[in-house]
Formats: sequence, structure tokens, C-alpha cells
Amino acid sequence: DSGVTQTPKHLITATGQRVTLRCSPRSGDLSVYWYQQSLDQGLQFLIQYYNGEERAKGNILERFSAQQFPDLHSELNLSSLELGDSALYFCASSVEFGAAPQETQYFGPGTRLLVL
Amino acid sequence: GEDVEQSLFLSVREGDSSVINCTYTDSSSTYLYWYKQEPGAGLQLLTYIFSNMDMKQDQRLTVLLNKKDKHLSLRIADTQTGDSAIYFCAEIVISSGGSYIPTFGRGTSLIVHP
Repeated sequence: DSGVTQTPKHLITATGQRVTLRCSPRSGDLSVYWYQQSLDQGLQFLIQYYNGEERAKGNILERFSAQQFPDLHSELNLSSLELGDSALYFCASSVEFGAAPQETQYFGPGTRLLVL
Repeated sequence: GEDVEQSLFLSVREGDSSVINCTYTDSSSTYLYWYKQEPGAGLQLLTYIFSNMDMKQDQRLTVLLNKKDKHLSLRIADTQTGDSAIYFCAEIVISSGGSYIPTFGRGTSLIVHP
């Protein structure tokens, strides 16, 4: 158990809909990262927040957005969903903004999203 | 852009050594990581190597880095059935904001036969 929690575990929805995925980082971790893992794209970094502020951006679509709240939990919002958005979405957390390697990222178990 | 490549599958017999290979493209990578993903779980950092090192040993794990060829390998000695998982290679580059952001390979599925 990494100490990172993600809800829900599974989500089934229809095209065009909007969903929110939630992540609670490990106690004391200030930084949250979101990743998408799909069969065709592999594991891709989406976005990072540190202490409430966006810190780094990866291959995140404009239909997707994220935020980190004062209690440090984070939400990833996916809108106008398409079939291709079906994937496993991971959240990870680290103490600082990723001064590797001692401040490694701890991954949550993921949310599996299926868009029908 | 960065691209990290790995073979997709590796099958070994229990007790043998496993060698998982990876090539990367970004010469500015500071660290290279190996992660393990067990079924239904997130990624777990196994080990890492700093880009100015050639080799790192950590119990049953040996990481070799050939910076000239941008080739990274992970050797698991005395492979056990519990080592069956997907292994991801990742190169780390520093973002404009100072964050260390990994670029992952597709992952190598290691299957260990009894």
C-alpha cells in the first residue's frame, strides 16, 4: 500500500459525458501527478501540481483539467469524453516537486475508466 | 521529443536471471528509473541510476547504463515467480518549472515459469 488513494476504482460512462477522478496523496506529500495508461499510448504524464499550483504539464488534452485543493487532494476532470479516453488513470504523489530520486513518486492503484 | 523503447515480453524459468533492456533518446536525462507494476496495482519504484554512473547493484537487481548507446538494462538474479510483473523503464528530464518528469517505455511483461 503506497498511501495514495484514488476514487473511484472503476468508472463506466458514455461518450460526451464528464467525470471527475479523485486522488488523496500520502500524508505530508505536497506534489500530485496524474498519468494516463492506455494500450495504444502506454503510460503518459498528464499534469503535476505542487502545493495547489500547476507545476508541469505533459500530454494533457484541453478537454481535461485538474486542480489541487488546500487540503492537497487533487481532482482530474475529463469532459466531452470519447471512446479513446478509456484508460487507467494513475495519481502519484511526492514530498517535494520531484527532486529525484530520493523524493520518488508513490503511485495510487488507479481509476479504470471505460467510455462506451 | 523523447522516446523510450522496451521489448514487450520476456519469459524465464524460475531461478534463472532475467535481463530487461531499454533504449532512450534524451541525452539530457538526469536519472533513469525502473518501475514494477503488479496486476491491479500502481507503479512501484524498483531502482534508479544517475546518468553519470555505469552500474548500480541493489540486492538481486543490477542496473547497467551505456550512456553512449543510450541503453539501460535491468538484471534480476535468481528470478522468482513473485517477480512476474510489468517492468517500466523511465527517463527523467527536468521540466521548465524544475520538476523531474518521467517519460516511460511501454513496459516489458516478465513471465516466470516454475
